[in-house]
Amino acid sequence: DGGITQSPKYLFRKEGQNVTLSCEQNLNHDAMYWYRQDPGQGLRLIYYSQIVNDFQKGDIAEGYSVSREKKESFPLTVTSAQKNPTAFYLCASSIPGLQETQYFGPGTRLLVL
Amino acid sequence: ELKVEQNPLFLSMQEGKNYTIYCNYSTTSDRLYWYRQDPGKSLESLFVLLSNGAVKQEGRLMASLDTKARLSTLHITAAVHDLSATYFCAVELASGSRLTFGEGTQLTVNP
Repeated sequence: DGGITQSPKYLFRKEGQNVTLSCEQNLNHDAMYWYRQDPGQGLRLIYYSQIVNDFQKGDIAEGYSVSREKKESFPLTVTSAQKNPTAFYLCASSIPGLQETQYFGPGTRLLVL
Repeated sequence: ELKVEQNPLFLSMQEGKNYTIYCNYSTTSDRLYWYRQDPGKSLESLFVLLSNGAVKQEGRLMASLDTKARLSTLHITAAVHDLSATYFCAVELASGSRLTFGEGTQLTVNP
């Protein structure tokens, strides 16, 4: 089955620690996106990538980093510079130019110990 | 800067009733999406609206887009409890570009 997978489902971060969230898709989509959702709020764009080896900052990129070495993978690293990382992180993908929506993964919930 | 506003943010309604959720946006666009989110879950795509006057219907939900008014509506007909969820609209300025989301409308349908 085609889809987007995110791991882990829950992630705990200690103070000063970098953690990496995984996002993999087998939909052959060119574009991939990372969003952050805080409780009771909408989604805010962290980073997005429209093609391999290229990515752009979204609205809240500070304290985060990404890489896009493979078409199917777009990992997000939450660095120690992100002082308030507790949130629900959603990865999405799409095919630019087609009349299709973005498809979302199941999400990773990040908590700070 | 594109801004997307939804209202109401909270909606409590009785089963069998009709209601409309509104999504206003600040910059010209003819690409708007509606999503549903259940508590603790990811987003599920409901509708893709890609032109002025577009209307899509699925079950008790109908979405429309008026690009001149920069307004989309999500109409709920004869609500049932299973429709309880948070509904988001999102606007895309150009194909393949980023989405900007509204704050979401938390819908509760009471028996």
